[in-house]
Amino acid sequence: EAGVAQSPRYKIIEKRQSVAFWCNPISGHATLYWYQQILGQGPKLLIQFQNNGVVDDSQLPKDRFSAERLKGVDSTLKIQPAKLEDSAVYLCASSSRTSFDEQYFGPGTRLTVT
Amino acid sequence: GIQVEQSPPDLILQEGANSTLRCNFSDSVNNLQWFHQNPWGQLINLFYIPSGTKQNGRLSATTVATERYSLLYISSSQTTDSGVYFCAVERTSYDKVIFGPGTSLSVIP
Repeated sequence: EAGVAQSPRYKIIEKRQSVAFWCNPISGHATLYWYQQILGQGPKLLIQFQNNGVVDDSQLPKDRFSAERLKGVDSTLKIQPAKLEDSAVYLCASSSRTSFDEQYFGPGTRLTVT
Repeated sequence: GIQVEQSPPDLILQEGANSTLRCNFSDSVNNLQWFHQNPWGQLINLFYIPSGTKQNGRLSATTVATERYSLLYISSSQTTDSGVYFCAVERTSYDKVIFGPGTSLSVIP
């Protein structure tokens, strides 16, 4: 069974630029999560999708971050415009059921904003 | 919201030693999971354990939901066990997942 795929693995941009990350969950997994992990901290949930609907986005900075999951499969997370404090690893995870269940994580995208 | 604490924050072990990592949470939870984040950043499932005890090789975990804590035991540690160990909880199916701050483990030969 293929795992969660993410791209790109690394990205360096200047502040005020835009960036997008892509995630392909494990086949058949209905729930998809995006996390932000700042160096030295645990992952922080940004947004959770159930199929193509949003379950929780209470910690997503909506003035600059957006996410979508068209057709209930792949998802993209966008930052526009980026700030220095957005430098972090962005992790995508998926699980097979409606709630937490067992989450499986992708390798992450390391974003550096200069 | 629910608070998650992990202890100790850092741990250095000699290869072959045993250790216990602890996760405390401030409210009842429906779900709890332990993860290992390896030095390359990959988060790997260890246990899905909202209650009870599970074992997988040299690792085992126990969650006492009524007392709001979970323990992760590592026996006969190996250098490949190095990394950060996180517990993550979900209070109900309608609440967000909350990760603890992690325990950073270094196993030295």
